[in-house]
Amino acid sequence: EVQLVESGGGLVQPGRSLRLSCTTSGFSFGNFAMSWVRQAPGKGLEFLGFVRSKAYDGPTAYAASVKGRFTISRDDSKSIAYLQMNSLKSEDTALYYCARGLQSLDYWGQGTLVTVSS
Amino acid sequence: AIQLTQSPSSLSASVGDRVTITCRASQGISRALAWYQQKPGKPPHLLISDASSLESGVPSRFRGSGSGTDFTLSINSLQPEDFATYYCQQFYSYPQSFGQGTKLEIK
Repeated sequence: EVQLVESGGGLVQPGRSLRLSCTTSGFSFGNFAMSWVRQAPGKGLEFLGFVRSKAYDGPTAYAASVKGRFTISRDDSKSIAYLQMNSLKSEDTALYYCARGLQSLDYWGQGTLVTVSS
Repeated sequence: AIQLTQSPSSLSASVGDRVTITCRASQGISRALAWYQQKPGKPPHLLISDASSLESGVPSRFRGSGSGTDFTLSINSLQPEDFATYYCQQFYSYPQSFGQGTKLEIK
């Protein structure tokens, strides 16, 4: 069974950093790109960015709202994808999802909540 | 960045009705479009990829169509479990993007 579990969310002050993890199981993690999507309270979905599988080299891309502040990476030995978030702002408050894929996203985690507030 | 505009933003319908949701892209995206269903407190669920390919396990009453800039998601014979919010997503160019969502409510 494919599973994705996000962790690392919580309350953080503006300007600080946070790293989210997406721990996966049930599939060959190294063969798949992984994406991060967020959803502010009561709002729609926002695609943040992705990390390709090692086999498919190529540029990554981030949403304009997080470019230069957020970085997505992966550890294939642990089957984990990461979202490093720096210089956090109040508008980054959201539920953060990881999802499998680069185009259509076929499996999603339950999300981890990040609240940016002083 | 490619923008997706869904219409309507909300929709009221009854069990057994047929409904159609539209997604319009700000530029041509070929058939690089997916549709998701999201229920309260749950992550999105992939329904359709490549504009019209139904994902495994998704009921056949869901149908996607379109190419270029105009796409539709149709749901025939609405069931109680279909009342949710629906999102389109383009993956023609990166970063990918979602429409703003269409909330389907029970009349």
